[in-house]
Amino acid sequence: NAGVTQTPKFRILKIGQSMTLQCTQDMNHNYMYWYRQDPGMGLKLIYYSVGAGITDKGEVPNGYNVSRSTTEDFPLRLELAAPSQTSVYFCAVRDVARTEAFFGQGTRLTVV
Amino acid sequence: DQQVKQNSPSLSVQEGRISILNCDYTNSMFDYFLWYKKYPAEGPTFLISISSIKDKNEDGRFTVFLNKSAKHLSLHIVPSQPGDSAVYFCAASLRDDKIIFGKGTRLHILP
Repeated sequence: NAGVTQTPKFRILKIGQSMTLQCTQDMNHNYMYWYRQDPGMGLKLIYYSVGAGITDKGEVPNGYNVSRSTTEDFPLRLELAAPSQTSVYFCAVRDVARTEAFFGQGTRLTVV
Repeated sequence: DQQVKQNSPSLSVQEGRISILNCDYTNSMFDYFLWYKKYPAEGPTFLISISSIKDKNEDGRFTVFLNKSAKHLSLHIVPSQPGDSAVYFCAASLRDDKIIFGKGTRLHILP
C-alpha cells in the first residue's frame, strides 16, 4: 500500500503559469485535505473534501481550486501562480470513523 | 485569527528528561485535539489524540493533558530520546471536519 501519494515532489513555476498538484490515496478514506506550510507559519488548510463530489473551503482558499470526482483523487489546481504561493503543499486523508489524518510526503513549489 | 496557538517556537531538553510542549486554543467547539510530529522533508505523522471530553490520554512515552477551562493542552514525552528531535504540531478538529493546526514547536533533544 502506498498510502497517500503526492506528485510532483518539486516544481518551479513562473508567475502566471498554472499547474495541478496531484494527490492519490489507496486507503479508501472519505476525507481528504490540502494544506500549505510556510516557514514558521505552521500548516494552513486550503480546501478539504468529505467525499466524492463534495468540497469545502479551508482557511486560505484564494488562488486555488479543487475537485473530487473519485474517492481516490483530490487534485489541487493553481490557475495563475503568484510568488505568494511558494510553499510546501501537503495532502492528507482521514477515515470518517477516526480522528487522525495521514499525510503525503509533500510537494515543494517555487513560483518565480 | 489563530484558533490554535503554539507560543514557543523552539524548546531544548536534555536526553532522558521530560519534554513538555504546550498548546492553547480559542474555539470551544473543537471536539478532538491531536499532536503530530514532523521531520524535515517528510509529511507530518500522527502521534496521539484526545477527545474534548477527556482530560488525559497516554500512549507509551507520550501523554497528552487537556485543561478545557483554560483552553490549554500539553504533550509530555518521557523520557526524551534523540529521535524525538523534530517539529511538533498541535491540531484541533471541528465538527465540520476541518482540522486546524498551530505553527509548531521545534524540539531539540540535547545529548
